Amino acid sequence: DAGVTQSPTHLIKTRGQQVTLRCSPKSGHDTVSWYQQALGQGPQFIFQYYEEEERQRGNFPDRFSGHQFPNYSSELNVNALLLGDSALYLCASSWGRNTGELFFGEGSRLTVL
Amino acid sequence: AQSVAQPEDQVNVAEGNPLTVKCTYSVSGNPYLFWYVQYPNRGLQFLLKYITGDNLVKGSYGFEAEFNKSQTSFHLKKPSALVSDSALYFCAVRSPNRLAFGKGNQVVVIP
Repeated sequence: DAGVTQSPTHLIKTRGQQVTLRCSPKSGHDTVSWYQQALGQGPQFIFQYYEEEERQRGNFPDRFSGHQFPNYSSELNVNALLLGDSALYLCASSWGRNTGELFFGEGSRLTVL
Repeated sequence: AQSVAQPEDQVNVAEGNPLTVKCTYSVSGNPYLFWYVQYPNRGLQFLLKYITGDNLVKGSYGFEAEFNKSQTSFHLKKPSALVSDSALYFCAVRSPNRLAFGKGNQVVVIP
């Protein structure tokens, strides 16, 4: 049973560029949440997708957007990258929106130069 | 808003000694509390959760946590620490339909 898979694992971008991160949820899960973890910090909630719609959003600007596909996989897009966007981006999946136990992927480490 | 606090940055403990990682919470209503562990360059792994019921919750890898309503605490414990327990530990609260994490505690188990 595959767990949550994320790609790419590492990437380097320059300021102003755009990035797309991908996530496949654990088998049987229909809800995907994205978190940003800056160095030395706890994960911060970006948004949650359920039934292909953004259901909840944390305190992140509109430069952060996402999508969920019919197979429940998800993408996180960040436009106009800033140095401060450098972080580990974690995808978490669950069954249903009512967050119980979240299953996390290994993360995508983004470095913005 | 629901939140948790982890007052210590780092916890050092000798191998074989008891390990405690502290967490306090601030919620309106009944708290749903979680502990996760993160190894270097890895995602977060679920350890245990408290929703209701017994105040002592048992989880993975020999960890347990004690829910204390009067002290608004949810401390993580392990009776005998292993070197392999060295990692970053996060307390979290459901807030709602998302998890709000603490800043994390680095645990160092000294051989």
